[in-house]
Formats: sequence, structure tokens, C-alpha cells
Amino acid sequence: GAGVSQTPSNKVTEKGKYVELRCDPISGHTALYWYRQSLGQGPEFLIYFQGTGAADDSGLPNDRFFAVRPEGSVSTLKIQRTERGDSAVYLCASSLGGSGYEQYFGPGTRLTVT
Amino acid sequence: AQSVAQPEDQVNVAEGNPLTVKCTYSVSGNPYLFWYVQYPNRGLQFLLKYITGDNLVKGSYGFEAEFNKSQTSFHLKKPSALVSDSALYFCAVRDESGGSYIPTFGRGTSLIVHP
Repeated sequence: GAGVSQTPSNKVTEKGKYVELRCDPISGHTALYWYRQSLGQGPEFLIYFQGTGAADDSGLPNDRFFAVRPEGSVSTLKIQRTERGDSAVYLCASSLGGSGYEQYFGPGTRLTVT
Repeated sequence: AQSVAQPEDQVNVAEGNPLTVKCTYSVSGNPYLFWYVQYPNRGLQFLLKYITGDNLVKGSYGFEAEFNKSQTSFHLKKPSALVSDSALYFCAVRDESGGSYIPTFGRGTSLIVHP
């Protein structure tokens, strides 16, 4: 079956611009996670959705970052006034639930802020 | 609080030899433990998990891991390494009693299998 998809695969933007990153989870997965991964590091948690609501957004670094999941499926991560330090690979993962279930990751979006 | 450590940045092994990638964890309650593998320019792929039950867990591609509560470890093993096993491996932990559904990932260990 179809896995988690993310678009775009690569995004280059100028400092100060606004970007949107999209995640399409596996059908039927109620839990959705966003992570950020820098070179040589493990995934760093950003936000977790259970259904349509953000159950935990404690990983968002500041108020320039925001994410939505309006219908409990597709999610969009939005970054305002991008900074060079936002450059990273943004990973999305989904799972059947939030407890002992494993996560299925998308291929990621590589964001480069120039 | 929950944390996980992967003490080796890189592990080198010859093809056909056994491999071990180490992981230790710290939780207040009971751990849920996971191993993932990441190939270049790809997302993470689930390998195996320990939730409860048998301490030896078998997963994909011939990998297994042993949960050791006294040593708070969950090392990943494979009896005979393949060159195609070369990748980045991540251990993750979630504290079952922590009230959060967010796992903490280690920094990753690069496994290099030499022909």
C-alpha cells in the first residue's frame, strides 16, 4: 500500500519568506508527527496530532512555526519569516495510535534557506 | 523524563561477521523501545520494537534486539552482516508511564559493512 508522502522533496527559499510543507499520511493512521532532522542528528520532535487536534506542540521552536491537520488526514507545516537556521530535513511520520505503535516515516522535505 | 544514548557514532564490521549496535535508555516507568534504519536520502524505516513480553525481539531483514532491564539496554544485533545493511540506525524510547506519546530518538549510529 501507499506509504507516507511528503511534498515538495526539496525546497529552496530566501531568508524571510514563508514556506509550507505537506504531509500525506497512511490512510487510517490517526497519529501524525512532524520532526526536524539536521545532519548527524536524530529526528527532533516538533508537533504531534491525534486526529485533527494538535495533542502536543511542545517541540515547535518558536511562533514562526505552525502546523494544521484540518480533516485528520493531510497535514501542513508552515514556517513564517524563514531563517537560515531553519535549514534541515523535515520529516513526517504517522502511526495507528500514539502508544506502543511504530511510526512510518515519509522521505522528508529538505529545506534550504539562503 | 526519558532519554536514549547511542554511544557509538560509527560501527565497522566485515561482511559475514556478527554486528551489534548499542543503545541504552533512561525512563521513569516502563520503556517502549524501537529501532529504525535510515538509508541515504530516505525516511526512517521501522525495524523492530519491544513493548512487553519476550526480551528477545526479532524484526525485519534478520535483525534482532535484546531488552535488558538491569542494564537498561536494547542493543541491535544480526548474526551475519551484509554490505546492504550499511546505513544509519536510530534507537528510540518512550516512557510508558510518562503521559506523552512522543518518542525520544538517539543521535544515530552509522553502520558500515565492508566487503
